[in-house]
Amino acid sequence: DGGITQSPKYLFRKEGQNVTLSCEQNLNHDAMYWYRQDPGQGLRLIYYSQIVNDFQKGDIAEGYSVSREKKESFPLTVTSAQKNPTAFYLCASSTPGEGSNQPQHFGDGTRLSIL
Amino acid sequence: AQSVTQPDIHITVSEGASLELRCNYSYGATPYLFWYVQSPGQGLQLLLKYFSGDTLVQGIKGFEAEFKRSQSSFNLRKPSVHWSDAAEYFCAVGLLIKAAGNKLTFGGGTRVLVKP
Repeated sequence: DGGITQSPKYLFRKEGQNVTLSCEQNLNHDAMYWYRQDPGQGLRLIYYSQIVNDFQKGDIAEGYSVSREKKESFPLTVTSAQKNPTAFYLCASSTPGEGSNQPQHFGDGTRLSIL
Repeated sequence: AQSVTQPDIHITVSEGASLELRCNYSYGATPYLFWYVQSPGQGLQLLLKYFSGDTLVQGIKGFEAEFKRSQSSFNLRKPSVHWSDAAEYFCAVGLLIKAAGNKLTFGGGTRVLVKP
């Protein structure tokens, strides 16, 4: 079955450490997205990528970095510059479709906590 | 910039009762509107979407939503709630990005509790 795989499901970060969250999709989607979810705040967009080797900042990109070397993969690095990284991180993807009105499909998320 | 408001943070309903979740949006053009559902510790699942045409949209799991342009609303409804509907529900508005995909803005979510 096609879908989006996020790993690991749980991740712990030490002070000053960078950590990388994995997101892989086999839906053949061009666009991929990273969101951060905090209680009561809905989802906020961190980064998105419309095509391989290209990506744009979302609303809360500070302290995060991404790469898009392959169509299937869009890893997110939470750097030590992100002072409040504890959150639930969701990866999504979508296909352009006609008029780019296709819905986004989501992975099951990674919960990041600080040690 | 677009925004989405879900006025109710929590709603408690009895099993078998009807459910309505409110969503109001602010957007300058015709919006793409979505409702997603999230079970604890899981990702989001699409319930339904509105792009154009009939303003009453049918979705999965017996849900429907009505787009009212005059009220800038896209409320989600279900006539009879099942215990398995207990979850968090998110309304989102999509902004078209050139070439690929769309950029979603989410509401803060409404958590639904179902009483036996």
